[in-house]
Amino acid sequence: DTGVSQDPRHKITKRGQNVTFRCDPISEHNRLYWYRQTLGQGPEFLTYFQNEAQLEKSRLLSDRFSAERPKGSFSTLEIQRTEQGDSAMYLCASSLGQTLGSPLHFGNGTRLTVT
Amino acid sequence: QKEVEQNSGPLSVPEGAIASLNCTYSDRGSQSFFWYRQYSGKSPELIMFIYSNGDKEDGRFTAQLNKASQYVSLLIRDSQPSDSATYLCAGGGNTGKLIFGQGTTLQVKP
Repeated sequence: DTGVSQDPRHKITKRGQNVTFRCDPISEHNRLYWYRQTLGQGPEFLTYFQNEAQLEKSRLLSDRFSAERPKGSFSTLEIQRTEQGDSAMYLCASSLGQTLGSPLHFGNGTRLTVT
Repeated sequence: QKEVEQNSGPLSVPEGAIASLNCTYSDRGSQSFFWYRQYSGKSPELIMFIYSNGDKEDGRFTAQLNKASQYVSLLIRDSQPSDSATYLCAGGGNTGKLIFGQGTTLQVKP
């Protein structure tokens, strides 16, 4: 169990640029989640996958956000035409998703700063 | 109305005391509840989870769930300065998706 890995750890970009983040879940976990967290708030759900299928996407999520998990392993989260309001910590988590109480295991996150 | 609500604190307790952290939820479909600890600048780490009414103990931590009152709590016994962090309460259903509260900041003073 090497844990959930996210890359990059930090990203600084200019407003209007596109950014892509990568998440490698724990290998035996079939569910993968993306969350966003701003200072003083709890993580906010963005989307989740079971294997390669994207099963839910937050209604609050702008069309500028897209996520993929093409082979049911790693996932990418892309933000197009970034805005200053996109500045946040982007957290990826994975779980077995098979039993009640299956916990989410979080990666170290990608901190995005939009200037 | 937020689905999971916590008092943001800070909650300040002296070293060795019991810290009591509380959480309420609005979605009666929530089946399992989780407590995560988050140090500043770090990602959340799981402390424990509970899905049955009553108490669940793990070392210095006790989680309590009351589904009728839609209330979850976490007790930390013999609080240590290293317990100073933000504690996140989260509820989830069949999808495994968790809805988090805003977190309660705990300060344990030596």
